Amino acid sequence: GAGVSQTPSNKVTEKGKYVELRCDPISGHTALYWYRQSLGQGPEFLIYFQGTGAADDSGLPNDRFFAVRPEGSVSTLKIQRTERGDSAVYLCASSPRPRETEAFFGQGTRLTVV
Amino acid sequence: AQSVAQPEDQVNVAEGNPLTVKCTYSVSGNPYLFWYVQYPNRGLQFLLKYITGDNLVKGSYGFEAEFNKSQTSFHLKKPSALVSDSALYFCAVRPLYGNKLVFGAGTILRVKS
Repeated sequence: GAGVSQTPSNKVTEKGKYVELRCDPISGHTALYWYRQSLGQGPEFLIYFQGTGAADDSGLPNDRFFAVRPEGSVSTLKIQRTERGDSAVYLCASSPRPRETEAFFGQGTRLTVV
Repeated sequence: AQSVAQPEDQVNVAEGNPLTVKCTYSVSGNPYLFWYVQYPNRGLQFLLKYITGDNLVKGSYGFEAEFNKSQTSFHLKKPSALVSDSALYFCAVRPLYGNKLVFGAGTILRVKS
C-alpha cells in the first residue's frame, strides 16, 4: 500500500510482558516518528528517526521503551516489562523531509496491558 | 516549553453554517503550524499547514486556517459545514528548532443536519 502501515492493529498483553510494535513507513521517507495517544488526549511525541539514527528520543518516558530502525525503513518500538499505564494507541508517522513537510500517520496500534 | 491549546472540547454547528475550531500556541520563534483530522478508528489525516507567506491557508475538503502572529492563533475554519465533517480535530505546532510535532488535546466537531 501507499500509506504508513502499522502492525499489529491491536495488541493485548499481560503486565510485565515484552511487546514489539512495527511501523512500515511510506517508501522513500527518511523521517520517521513515534507518538503515543492516550484516551482523550492529543498524540505525544516519543522518538524521531532521520534515516537509521534516533535524532531525538526525548519523548521516551523511561528506559523500558526503546526503538530501532536498522535499515532506515521499517521501525520497531519495543516496550519491556509493560505496565497498565502503557495502554494507549501508538502512532507512527513518516515524512520525506523532517521540517516543513507534513507527517503521514498510520492507523496506530492499540496496546492494552491487562 | 512549546504548547498548543484548543480551548473547546467540542464544537457543535448546524449543517450549512460556518464553523471555527480554535487553536492558540506558545512557542519561541516562528513555528510551523498544522491541522489534522481523526475519524473513528482511523489514523490522523493532514488537513493543512502554515509555513510562511499568506496568513490564510487553504487545505483539504474546503477547510482553511488563519495564522495570526500577534494573537498566536491558528483557527480552523470552513464556510459551510457538512455532516461528514464531524470528527476529532487536532492543531499541532513544530518549533523553529526541532522536528517533533506538539499537539493540542483535540476538539470534537459535531455537525448536525
